[in-house]
Amino acid sequence: NAGVMQNPRHLVRRRGQEARLRCSPMKGHSHVYWYRQLPEEGLKFMVYLQKENIIDESGMPKERFSAEFPKEGPSILRIQQVVRGDSAAYFCASSPTSDNEQFFGPGTRLTVL
Amino acid sequence: QKEVEQNSGPLSVPEGAIASLNCTYSDRGSQSFFWYRQYSGKSPELIMFIYSNGDKEDGRFTAQLNKASQYVSLLIRDSQPSDSATYLCAVKSGSYIPTFGRGTSLIVHP
Repeated sequence: NAGVMQNPRHLVRRRGQEARLRCSPMKGHSHVYWYRQLPEEGLKFMVYLQKENIIDESGMPKERFSAEFPKEGPSILRIQQVVRGDSAAYFCASSPTSDNEQFFGPGTRLTVL
Repeated sequence: QKEVEQNSGPLSVPEGAIASLNCTYSDRGSQSFFWYRQYSGKSPELIMFIYSNGDKEDGRFTAQLNKASQYVSLLIRDSQPSDSATYLCAVKSGSYIPTFGRGTSLIVHP
């Protein structure tokens, strides 16, 4: 039973480029959550999605960031026109329902040059 | 504003001792409580969850919840160097989204 999968594991972008981070939830999980973690800081919630729906995006910056979870395929977190401050570890988690505990993927480490 | 507080540490204990990690939370309506372990450079790994007041034991780990005092703790018995990591406390109330503390760094020295 494969766990949560994220790719790429490491992503390097230059300022102004776009970053696309992918997350495939655990089998049987239809709830996906994205978090950002800066060095020496806690996990910050960004967005919560179910298939084809954004349920809560209260943690997403208003500009440049977007997320989707299509009917088919992985959830995608998209960052347009990246800046150095976007450099962080981005974690995806999934759960079978909104009441259950979340299981985390290995993360994508984004570095913006 | 829901807050989850943890002492950042590091908490240093000798091998074989009991490590006690503490977490307080501000939202009295909180219902679900989780402990995650995060090794440096890795993702959080769920260790335990607890919903009811009292103790919950799983192997060397015991979670303790006191809703009246808004306090949840994690005890690690017979600590091993491999337990050295950052431990994250997460709390959920009526919303779908848990609030995470910043974590406590634990160092178990031989």
